[in-house]
Amino acid sequence: AQSVTQLGSHVSVSEGALVLLRCNYSSSVPPYLFWYVQYPNQGLQLLLKYTSAATLVKGINGFEAEFKKSETSFHLTKPSAHMSDAAEYFCAVSGSGGGADGLTFGKGTHLIIQP
Amino acid sequence: DGGITQSPKYLFRKEGQNVTLSCEQNLNHDAMYWYRQDPGQGLRLIYYSQIVNDFQKGDIAEGYSVSREKKESFPLTVTSAQKNPTAFYLCASSISGGEWDEQFFGPGTRLTVL
Repeated sequence: AQSVTQLGSHVSVSEGALVLLRCNYSSSVPPYLFWYVQYPNQGLQLLLKYTSAATLVKGINGFEAEFKKSETSFHLTKPSAHMSDAAEYFCAVSGSGGGADGLTFGKGTHLIIQP
Repeated sequence: DGGITQSPKYLFRKEGQNVTLSCEQNLNHDAMYWYRQDPGQGLRLIYYSQIVNDFQKGDIAEGYSVSREKKESFPLTVTSAQKNPTAFYLCASSISGGEWDEQFFGPGTRLTVL
């Protein structure tokens, strides 16, 4: 069975500071990993995904994530936070080996940007 | 414009009533999904479908039902058997249902039981 743990339900950073959102996964097969962003009362939008092509994945809006198999991690970073980055961020994993059966999501991290 | 539409945006239901949430996509995607979102819980999979006339239960299917009579439509019925239906419901689709496929999400329906 797969699982995702996002450390920190709330993360607060100053505008212009580094953003680091942590994600650790558990999977018995090589995983596919995703980061999604959700603005209030909206659906989810894909930021980036890891599908084994490269361990450092660049996404939209200046975000990137690095897959570290030894640490079973897929942390999301952005060098300089912007006020518009304030949102809920979800890490998700698929790849149960049994075909398409949906994504397993972490509980989310609410990113707060301080002016 | 291609995308996923969900209706209604807000839905109120009295206890004991069944309600149906609509999900339509014009992306020509084969796979469709329903998730439930509760505060602090992330998203949990209710049902998914890879092809027309076929669907599978997800992690929390009890009290819900679906149909997939058309490729573009995947309605979700919340029955009176669902003990705590108040939540935000999200529909998603992907091209082929492959594990590596990005899922595209609709804007969601917020269901409140009065």
